[in-house]
Amino acid sequence: GQNIDQPTEMTATEGAIVQINCTYQTSGFNGLFWYQQHAGEAPTFLSYNVLDGLEEKGRFSSFLSRSKGYSYLLLKELQMKDSASYLCAGYSGAGSYQLTFGKGTKLSVIP
Amino acid sequence: NAGVMQNPRHLVRRRGQEARLRCSPMKGHSHVYWYRQLPEEGLKFMVYLQKENIIDESGMPKERFSAEFPKEGPSILRIQQVVRGDSAAYFCASSPGTRNEQFFGPGTRLTVL
Repeated sequence: GQNIDQPTEMTATEGAIVQINCTYQTSGFNGLFWYQQHAGEAPTFLSYNVLDGLEEKGRFSSFLSRSKGYSYLLLKELQMKDSASYLCAGYSGAGSYQLTFGKGTKLSVIP
Repeated sequence: NAGVMQNPRHLVRRRGQEARLRCSPMKGHSHVYWYRQLPEEGLKFMVYLQKENIIDESGMPKERFSAEFPKEGPSILRIQQVVRGDSAAYFCASSPGTRNEQFFGPGTRLTVL
């Protein structure tokens, strides 16, 4: 199965830029998701990268390098409401339907 | 367009009782997934269902847990004879097809006393 690793916690300042990294095993992998989860709430979909490169969506961008087993989520112009956990997830092997999630990175945005 | 619905949002059971968790997928979605999230842990896949069929239950404990998605009505995750270790948040997700993004419901927080 997949191992997905991401930092446990990060802190950044309001208005700044933060990059949250995610690494995973590359065998049988096909694309990577990022979700945002506020405490006590459901995960909400942010991005899905299938091809290498950077995908930009407003203040959020996501990058994927399949050969390196590496992805990052970039958040610009941080706002206090961005304080949440950010979950990296991928499909567990070819033909699989289940998403394997990392434990999440808890981001705290401070004034 | 209503999102994924789950009920109840909070459920308290005593050890040995049964817990029934319900999930109604988004309109037009026929694929349902159940995940469990323990405190300080990531989401763990439990089961994947389509209407009237269990496609993948590799993440389900072999005993006490079962899931269904009948032709009519919501998907049900059933936990028999609950134990304290079953206390967790149970999330349901749905998608319009396989290997699409999954949309999550608000979750059911189960507490076993």
